[in-house]
Amino acid sequence: SQELEQSPQSLIVQEGKNLTINCTSSKTLYGLYWYKQKYGEGLIFLMMLQKGGEEKSHEKITAKLDEKKQQSSLHITASQPSHAGIYLCGPPGQGAQKLVFGQGTRLTINP
Amino acid sequence: DVKVTQSSRYLVKRTGEKVFLECVQDMDHENMFWYRQDPGLGLRLIYFSYDVKMKEKGDIPEGYSVSREKKERFSLILESASTNQTSMYLCASSPQGAGGANVLTFGAGSRLTVL
Repeated sequence: SQELEQSPQSLIVQEGKNLTINCTSSKTLYGLYWYKQKYGEGLIFLMMLQKGGEEKSHEKITAKLDEKKQQSSLHITASQPSHAGIYLCGPPGQGAQKLVFGQGTRLTINP
Repeated sequence: DVKVTQSSRYLVKRTGEKVFLECVQDMDHENMFWYRQDPGLGLRLIYFSYDVKMKEKGDIPEGYSVSREKKERFSLILESASTNQTSMYLCASSPQGAGGANVLTFGAGSRLTVL
C-alpha cells in the first residue's frame, strides 16, 4: 500500500518568514490533496493536485506536485499566525478506499 | 453550515464502558470514514463504509466496530473502552465520484479520554 512521509514533522518559524513542507510517496503519485488542521479541530481541505508539474496557489500558500520525485511540496510565503496548525497530505482515491495520510507537519509561527 | 457533525466534542469514560461516537453528514455522501489521531502517529484509519450497511476494516480495527444503518450516519462503537483508546477521533465523508471528487470533509473531532 502507498505510504506518505512528511518532512519536517515539526516546524517553528518567525512570523514573516517563508517555509516549505514536503510530502514524499512510496509509490507513483497520481495526485495529492493537502489539508490543514487547526489545533484540536477537524481537517480542512486546502488544495488538490491532480497531475505532475501542477502548481496551485491559495492566498500565500503554494503547492506543487513533482511526479518524477514522487513528491509534493507546500510553500508558505510571509508566514502569519493564522498559518499555524497541522498540515497533512493525502492521496486521491477512486470511490471508498483506505485513504491514508502522511503523519502531519506541526507548524508554529512565532510573533 | 456544518456538513459533518460529530455528536460529542469531549467525552470522558471509564475502562470497560461501551462508547458510541456518532457522526452525521448532510451532503448525501456515499463514503464515510473513522480515523483516530495520536501525536507522532498521525491519522490512522479505523473503519470506512461505502454504502449503507457496508463496512470495511481500516488499518487499526481491533477494539472497534461500526454501524451504518442510514446513509447519513456512521457510528463508531467501542465495546469495552480501554485506556489505550484515549485519542482524538475524526469522522469524514466523501462522494463516490471518480476523478478528484474524493475530497474528504471532516467533522470537528471527538476527544475521548478513557480513565
